[in-house]
Amino acid sequence: AQTVTQSQPEMSVQEAETVTLSCTYDTSENNYYLFWYKQPPSRQMILVIRQEAYKQQNATENRFSVNFQKAAKSFSLKISDSQLGDTAMYFCAFMKGGGADGLTFGKGTHLIIQP
Amino acid sequence: DGGITQSPKYLFRKEGQNVTLSCEQNLNHDAMYWYRQDPGQGLRLIYYSQIVNDFQKGDIAEGYSVSREKKESFPLTVTSAQKNPTAFYLCATRLGRGPVWTEAFFGQGTRLTVV
Repeated sequence: AQTVTQSQPEMSVQEAETVTLSCTYDTSENNYYLFWYKQPPSRQMILVIRQEAYKQQNATENRFSVNFQKAAKSFSLKISDSQLGDTAMYFCAFMKGGGADGLTFGKGTHLIIQP
Repeated sequence: DGGITQSPKYLFRKEGQNVTLSCEQNLNHDAMYWYRQDPGQGLRLIYYSQIVNDFQKGDIAEGYSVSREKKESFPLTVTSAQKNPTAFYLCATRLGRGPVWTEAFFGQGTRLTVV
């Protein structure tokens, strides 16, 4: 079985700053995917970014980028130029290749962007 | 509109009663999932289904039951055997075929409270 660990229960930064959320995982799988999900106060789950394990290049989506260190089993999310709308719970998630048995989530990091 | 509909949004249950949460989708997705979310616990998988008339237990299936009689519907019953049912419940779907990776889509959730 795989596990996902987020060691930062809560983080707070000023608007426009850059913030990095940490995530580590443990798995014996070789084919897998990693994700960051955002859950704003509405509680709707929103996919922020994904990374395929077989890709060495780190994924980027506008202000969001990841630092994927496969050997260290680390998958951090960097948010640049943070905005008030980035305030949310952020969950790191793992999925085995094929995705048949769903996602395994970390416990989440509550990110607060201060004006 | 295409999407996932969870109902009701809020549900109150007396101790000892069974209650059923609805999840309906019109995305023509094969795979459906139920997750439970508790504060500080992230999302945990209860049950999942890849095809009609077939489903598998997730990590915390005890006290829950499901059915998958139609592709569009995956209701979750919280039974009286579930000792601590108060939580936020999320339904998710995935295409489940074609390319290896397909995005998971989430419903708006149901907040269940035992009174």
